Amino acid sequence: GENVEQHPSTLSVQEGDSAVIKCTYSDSASNYFPWYKQELGKRPQLIIDIRSNVGEKKDQRIAVTLNKTAKHFSLHITETQPEDSAVYFCAASIDGYGGSQGNLIFGKGTKLSVKP
Amino acid sequence: DAGVIQSPRHEVTEMGQEVTLRCKPISGHNSLFWYRQTMMRGLELLIYFNNNVPIDDSGMPEDRFSAKMPNASFSTLKIQPSEPRDSAVYFCASSRGGIGYEQYFGPGTRLTVT
Repeated sequence: GENVEQHPSTLSVQEGDSAVIKCTYSDSASNYFPWYKQELGKRPQLIIDIRSNVGEKKDQRIAVTLNKTAKHFSLHITETQPEDSAVYFCAASIDGYGGSQGNLIFGKGTKLSVKP
Repeated sequence: DAGVIQSPRHEVTEMGQEVTLRCKPISGHNSLFWYRQTMMRGLELLIYFNNNVPIDDSGMPEDRFSAKMPNASFSTLKIQPSEPRDSAVYFCASSRGGIGYEQYFGPGTRLTVT
């Protein structure tokens, strides 16, 4: 089955710096890669996702890159702000409408701290 | 829309007791997911339903866990009998489609089994 490794487990940056979180996956058939942000005591919320037919996707200060050959994908946050402090989870799955495909497997999470 | 609704928000029970967690997905969403979150194991998908039908329950840890979705607006996750290692936050999420669509999480149920 799919296995997702996420690094680092903790990351501390100064406000304004960039933050990069990396994930690797094992199943070459995986084609859907979402990223979720979970603030302390809150629920996870999707911040960006990417599918295997693209290599990069951006949304304001957030970008995700995907290297299918190497089976890894990364989250990039630029100009970090204190409100970016949270736990970030990557995930991988085989996307099939109607639920005909496999589980959404999450990484263990990265606790990002942005120091003002 | 009120979003995904879960109840109870907190549950404290003794080992051996039956626990039932409830979820109401967002209206119009046809997929529902149950997750368990712990410090040790992170966020785990337990089971998901599409159009009220269980699609993949390979994440359900053992026979003590069962989930049902009798209609499009209600699902339950039951643990019987409960054990201390079941203590975790249980999230329900729903989406418009299958795995490849944004999942909207509920507030979670914090379960403590003593």
